[in-house]
Amino acid sequence: AQSVTQLDSQVPVFEEAPVELRCNYSSSVSVYLFWYVQYPNQGLQLLLKYLSGSTLVKGINGFEAEFNKSQTSFHLRKPSVHISDTAEYFCAVRSTTSGTYKYIFGTGTRLKVLA
Amino acid sequence: GAVVSQHPSRVICKSGTSVKIECRSLDFQATTMFWYRQFPKQSLMLMATSNEGSKATYEQGVEKDKFLINHASLTLSTLTVTSAHPEDSSFYICSAASQGVSEAFFGQGTRLTVV
Repeated sequence: AQSVTQLDSQVPVFEEAPVELRCNYSSSVSVYLFWYVQYPNQGLQLLLKYLSGSTLVKGINGFEAEFNKSQTSFHLRKPSVHISDTAEYFCAVRSTTSGTYKYIFGTGTRLKVLA
Repeated sequence: GAVVSQHPSRVICKSGTSVKIECRSLDFQATTMFWYRQFPKQSLMLMATSNEGSKATYEQGVEKDKFLINHASLTLSTLTVTSAHPEDSSFYICSAASQGVSEAFFGQGTRLTVV
């Protein structure tokens, strides 16, 4: 079964500093990978996704992620964070079994941007 | 992106009563809808997957008689928490996916409090 690991439960970072949120997934023949952001008491908003092609994916709000097949990683990065980036970030993989699919989420990383 | 509307955003009910949560895809046809439960500061736990016109597929450990899911049309799915108890208090989130689209789109979530 597919699984997603987010090693960092919390990441504090100062405003305007760069940040990397780590995500590793269990290996599969083909994989769709996603990063979502969740603000308090809200649903999830898609930041970016990797389906195929270029391993560097750019998303909304200045975020980008790099798909690394050999390391089975899909780390999220932003060169300069803002206070408004404070939120919970979830990495997810789409898992397909017997023709049906579902989304498997990591445990989330709470990004706290400090002034 | 596509819009998924979840209603109500907050509900308080008495122990023993039933509560219905609606999830609507506003501008696309959702062939598959997912229902998640999220505990404070934790990840999303998939409860069930429903395809339009079919019975929902429940994850292991989720009581299908307690959490009734209906996906009667391509734009509406409902989750009914029957005979609610305080331990059912949680944040419930729906998401919807469409054939040919890789990502799922999320509703805003419903905060259920059972008193």
